[in-house]
Amino acid sequence: EAGVAQSPRYKIIEKRQSVAFWCNPISGHATLYWYQQILGQGPKLLIQFQNNGVVDDSQLPKDRFSAERLKGVDSTLKIQPAKLEDSAVYLCASSQTTSHSTDTQYFGPGTRLTVL
Amino acid sequence: KQEVTQIPAALSVPEGENLVLNCSFTDSAIYNLQWFRQDPGKGLTSLLLIQSSQREQTSGRLNASLDKSSGRSTLYIAASQPGDSATYLCAVHNTDKLIFGTGTRLQVFP
Repeated sequence: EAGVAQSPRYKIIEKRQSVAFWCNPISGHATLYWYQQILGQGPKLLIQFQNNGVVDDSQLPKDRFSAERLKGVDSTLKIQPAKLEDSAVYLCASSQTTSHSTDTQYFGPGTRLTVL
Repeated sequence: KQEVTQIPAALSVPEGENLVLNCSFTDSAIYNLQWFRQDPGKGLTSLLLIQSSQREQTSGRLNASLDKSSGRSTLYIAASQPGDSATYLCAVHNTDKLIFGTGTRLQVFP
């Protein structure tokens, strides 16, 4: 079974530029998550999709971050314009359902973003 | 607001030692607790998931316990090996999201 794929793996941009990350979840997984992991911290949920609908985006900085999941499969996360504090690893995860008690999230390798 | 804390932040031990990683959380109303492993440049790998009604889970040399009432979990690693070197994260499933701790960075040297 193929895992969660993410690209690019690394990205360096200057502040105020735009950047986009792509995620392909495990086939058949209905739920997709984007996390931000700042160095030395645990991952923080940015947005959760159930199929192609948003379940939770309460911690997404909507003035600069946007995300979409077309056709309920792949997803893109965009930052426009980027700030220095956006430097982090962006992790994508997927799970079969949103079952709280039994479901496991499977994580991709992440995209390491450096904003100069 | 749920807060998850992990102690110690870093740990360096010689190969063969048994060790304990600690995780504490402030809100006991959780669905489950998971322990993850994170290797440099890689994503997170789920190690153990403990349901809120369970006390412990075991997988190979790993044993995780959960005391919901006191807001604590421990991850016990028996006979540590250099290949166990990684960052270990605990996460509680609270309401509808996973809340992660800051992790324990473990180094096992030969």
